[in-house]
Amino acid sequence: DGGITQSPKYLFRKEGQNVTLSCEQNLNHDAMYWYRQDPGQGLRLIYYSQIVNDFQKGDIAEGYSVSREKKESFPLTVTSAQKNPTAFYLCASSIFAGSHNEQFFGPGTRLTVL
Amino acid sequence: AQSVTQPDIHITVSEGASLELRCNYSYGATPYLFWYVQSPGQGLQLLLKYFSGDTLVQGIKGFEAEFKRSQSSFNLRKPSVHWSDAAEYFCAVVTKTSYDKVIFGPGTSLSVIP
Repeated sequence: DGGITQSPKYLFRKEGQNVTLSCEQNLNHDAMYWYRQDPGQGLRLIYYSQIVNDFQKGDIAEGYSVSREKKESFPLTVTSAQKNPTAFYLCASSIFAGSHNEQFFGPGTRLTVL
Repeated sequence: AQSVTQPDIHITVSEGASLELRCNYSYGATPYLFWYVQSPGQGLQLLLKYFSGDTLVQGIKGFEAEFKRSQSSFNLRKPSVHWSDAAEYFCAVVTKTSYDKVIFGPGTSLSVIP
């Protein structure tokens, strides 16, 4: 079955540590996205990538980094510079970057900083 | 700046009752409009979308939404709610000048009483 996988489902991090969240898709989509979800705030865009080896900052990119070395993979690193990283992180993809393209979402990773 | 509001943070309905979730957007022109549903701890699934044409759109799971330009609204409706509809619902817009970003509302949490 085609879809988006995120791992791990739950992740715990100590303060000061970097941590990388995995996102893989087998939908052959060009565009991929990372969102952060906090209660009562909806989804906020962290980074997006329209094509391999290219990505742009979203609304809340500070303290995060990404790479897009392969079409199917878009890992997100939460660095120690992110002051409040505890949140639910969602990865999404669309056929290509365009406003009328449906975004398909992964199941999410819940990150907790201890 | 473009924005999306969902006036109801939480709604509780009885199973079998009708449902209407409100969504208003702020934008100078007609954006592309979406409704997504999120089950607890899961990713988002697209319910329906509006780009142009008929202002009443049908979606999956028996949902429909009506676009009203004069009210800048895109309310989601269902004539008879099932217990499995309990979830978080997000309205989203994509403006035609920002093809790579989806702006999500804060969400409405729906509880269903058996």
